[in-house]
Amino acid sequence: EPEVTQTPSHQVTQMGQEVILRCVPISNHLYFYWYRQILGQKVEFLVSFYNNEISEKSEIFDDQFSVERPDGSNFTLKIRSTKLEDSAMYFCASRRQGDKNIQYFGAGTRLSVL
Amino acid sequence: GNSVTQMEGPVTLSEEAFLTINCTYTATGYPSLFWYVQYPGEGLQLLLKATKADDKGSNKGFEATYRKETTSFHLEKGSVQVSDSAVYFCATAYSGAGSYQLTFGKGTKLSVIP
Repeated sequence: EPEVTQTPSHQVTQMGQEVILRCVPISNHLYFYWYRQILGQKVEFLVSFYNNEISEKSEIFDDQFSVERPDGSNFTLKIRSTKLEDSAMYFCASRRQGDKNIQYFGAGTRLSVL
Repeated sequence: GNSVTQMEGPVTLSEEAFLTINCTYTATGYPSLFWYVQYPGEGLQLLLKATKADDKGSNKGFEATYRKETTSFHLEKGSVQVSDSAVYFCATAYSGAGSYQLTFGKGTKLSVIP
């Protein structure tokens, strides 16, 4: 069964460093998402991406964040200068066009900013 | 915007006990409603969904009914198993600019003991 894959499973970085979290969505999906979950808190929407551009973003998704689909398979989330409060689990999700109700999630990347 | 409130965990039950996890929502319009499940070390998986009032979603013995009058979508299972131990998330889909991003509750951790 096709699945969304995320790498790495755990990323440790120093405050102020740039990190790139990687996702490979399901191959025939056209909508892509990033969510995050700070430990003990809700899963929060960050950004959605369609047709090679951001379709929506939340207040969390400030200038420190960017997303890119550099080739036909990868979907990345970059944090330019990490802060302690960026420590969280980051989830990637994708869905087909026309199937607005079902998003498929990856297992997540745990980001630890020291 | 949408919001979801679900009962605090953790919930510990004996095998074959009855499960209820409460979920209420606030939303504009008529959102779709979901329960996602996260097993240890895995991503979020769609458990069941309902797209309009009075719909009942069901899967793997779990059920939830979309109650517009009480803005609720409580998850129930008549007889839980040890393999049901996981974190359960209630969510709504917000159409926004068409991206249908999900708004999640905080999650409820369920532990089922033999």
